[in-house]
Amino acid sequence: QEQLVQSGAEVKRPGASVTVSCKAAGYTLTDHYIHWVRQAPGQGLEWMGWINPNTGGTSFEQRFQGRVSMTRDTSISTVYMELTRLTSDDTAVYYCARDVYGDLGNWFDPWGQGTLVTVSS
Amino acid sequence: SYVLTQPPSVSVAPGQTASIACGGDNIGTKSVHWYQQRPGQAPVPVVHDDSDRPAGIPERFSGSNSGNTATLTISRVEAGDEADYYCQVWDTSSAHVVFGGGTKLTVL
Repeated sequence: QEQLVQSGAEVKRPGASVTVSCKAAGYTLTDHYIHWVRQAPGQGLEWMGWINPNTGGTSFEQRFQGRVSMTRDTSISTVYMELTRLTSDDTAVYYCARDVYGDLGNWFDPWGQGTLVTVSS
Repeated sequence: SYVLTQPPSVSVAPGQTASIACGGDNIGTKSVHWYQQRPGQAPVPVVHDDSDRPAGIPERFSGSNSGNTATLTISRVEAGDEADYYCQVWDTSSAHVVFGGGTKLTVL
């Protein structure tokens, strides 16, 4: 079964950084782009960016530029999303999701189970 | 940047038909995808590429897209359909993904 398995919940202080991992199972990581999407409490889905696990290429939503990075370790079929200079506004559930085909511009399936990141002093 | 607009809420009685709109400039020229999200769960695709259903999604879920509005239609609504629904497109001008604000479907 093709799935994405994310790391566990995190609690961070304002100003800190957080890294969330997303491990691909049941398929070859490098065959599909991975997107990151977040959802603040009671709010909608917010796209953050994508990574091409084959080349390491990335693209980010403008509002996250300079604060987000996405990397991968193909030897363990895992991608990572790091967000720096955290504020309380970054408290959210973070999802990774697979672009269904080998290129961009498609729908997402599957999604990871989500990782709650709480930023609090 | 490209903007998708959804009504915050839609209510429907069991057995009736629910229609959820997703508005965007010339959205009819784009492929629209729809996700269902139940509380505490990750989103699940229910319609992709305007009107196709992923495997396992009931035929009660259908979609259309023309002009400035895409629509998700749920026929014979059941209590289990109560969830948030999001539309999504790929904005070719920015090479970025755009989500609508989401619509909460309430089954009366």
